[in-house]
Amino acid sequence: QSALTQPASVSGSPGQSITISCTGTSSDVGSYNYVSWYQQHPGKAPKLMIYEVSNRPSGVSNRFSGSKSGNTASLTISGLQADDEADYYCSSYTSSSTPVFGGGTKLTVL
Amino acid sequence: QVQLVESGGGLVKPGGSLRLSCAASGFSFSDDYMTWIRQAPGKGLEWVSYISSSGSTIYYADSVKGRFTISRDNAKNSLYLQMNSLRAEDTAVYYCARDARWYTFDYWGQGTLVTVSS
Repeated sequence: QSALTQPASVSGSPGQSITISCTGTSSDVGSYNYVSWYQQHPGKAPKLMIYEVSNRPSGVSNRFSGSKSGNTASLTISGLQADDEADYYCSSYTSSSTPVFGGGTKLTVL
Repeated sequence: QVQLVESGGGLVKPGGSLRLSCAASGFSFSDDYMTWIRQAPGKGLEWVSYISSSGSTIYYADSVKGRFTISRDNAKNSLYLQMNSLRAEDTAVYYCARDARWYTFDYWGQGTLVTVSS
């Protein structure tokens, strides 16, 4: 199972909005609404930010939102804050009944 | 609150073995699916293995199949990963995570570092 494709890096200024894409295939993202997004700060464990494409766990800011179109899922962060600077990973359920992660995107807040 | 605490990492020579443990608390461990995920230094996340709540269903990534064995002891609220025939490319931080269905990993441990080197 090949990794999902994410941009290596994105950046934005405080207050702006950014979107991170996550492209898979018809065997994963395109066929299942089981896409999750994780935030990871340096030296820390990942944190669940979005699950099942667009659902936010309790305690996650509503500045974080998710969507999907075809084989591509997206994470949008609005009103960028300094603490949003982190690595972001998407993951998806696959037709092999196993998950696959994206390669990760480094978000820089300018 | 939910806590996952990994242990058992360390330095091991290529071809060697190591057993990781994950102690769970704050939730009904015996009702939940569990997973091991790893992250090589400076790299992304890689799913390693999954085990159902009863242990009856297990999956492995191709990269570890035949070498790693996942197991659990629901009486001890513990998850394990037996790693044999270790290779340099197995060097990573290993995380245990709760799978809240469909591979949504809602709680993670702090990770334990495994270094495979001669």
